[in-house]
Amino acid sequence: NAGVTQTPKFQVLKTGQSMTLQCAQDMNHEYMSWYRQDPGMGLRLIHYSVGAGITDQGEVPNGYNVSRSTTEDFPLRLLSAAPSQTSVYFCASSYSWASGRALVTGELFFGEGSRLTVL
Amino acid sequence: QQPVQSPQAVILREGEDAVINCSSSKALYSVHWYRQKHGEAPVFLMILLKGGEQKGHEKISASFNEKKQQSSLYLTASQLSYSGTYFCGTEWKQGGSEKLVFGKGTKLTVNP
Repeated sequence: NAGVTQTPKFQVLKTGQSMTLQCAQDMNHEYMSWYRQDPGMGLRLIHYSVGAGITDQGEVPNGYNVSRSTTEDFPLRLLSAAPSQTSVYFCASSYSWASGRALVTGELFFGEGSRLTVL
Repeated sequence: QQPVQSPQAVILREGEDAVINCSSSKALYSVHWYRQKHGEAPVFLMILLKGGEQKGHEKISASFNEKKQQSSLYLTASQLSYSGTYFCGTEWKQGGSEKLVFGKGTKLTVNP
């Protein structure tokens, strides 16, 4: 069972470089999201998607781009890396179900994380 | 927007109990609880839904006060394996979609 796969696990970039963090899941989950984790800040939502072709901004979206062309994949792009983007990034996926007028997110399945350092 | 967790840290001896609290200013659809050990990804513990439904591990106990938008996680007869950082996630609707946003975490240390 692969679950949620993130690559790369470690990356060092120079300021201004661009890169893509890959995230793939094999559980046919509609919901996928990216979080960054910094000491003392918890998990902060960057972008999320409730299905192929649909993305939305989280709490800290600036400097990041996402797309969702397939159910399985949800890559995160850093357009021009900055030292402030040094962090551990987690991708997560989940199923959703309708509850009244809301779409409730179920248990999040996290990838192992990607540690990014921007010099 | 982040829910507020309290306390920030707690130290227990094995066998003692602890309560971790989570509060939000938003009208919530659900509250999630996760535990993260150092260097690992967060692991799911429980979901509490508006309306009273709960899904999660049998050994975990939690409550959700929908009127106050508050949730509490109850850790009883703590074991060494309970050590880690606990995060609550709150789900609410902004614009046309629901966001799942986490608090800053509560670090739990259980000593022998």
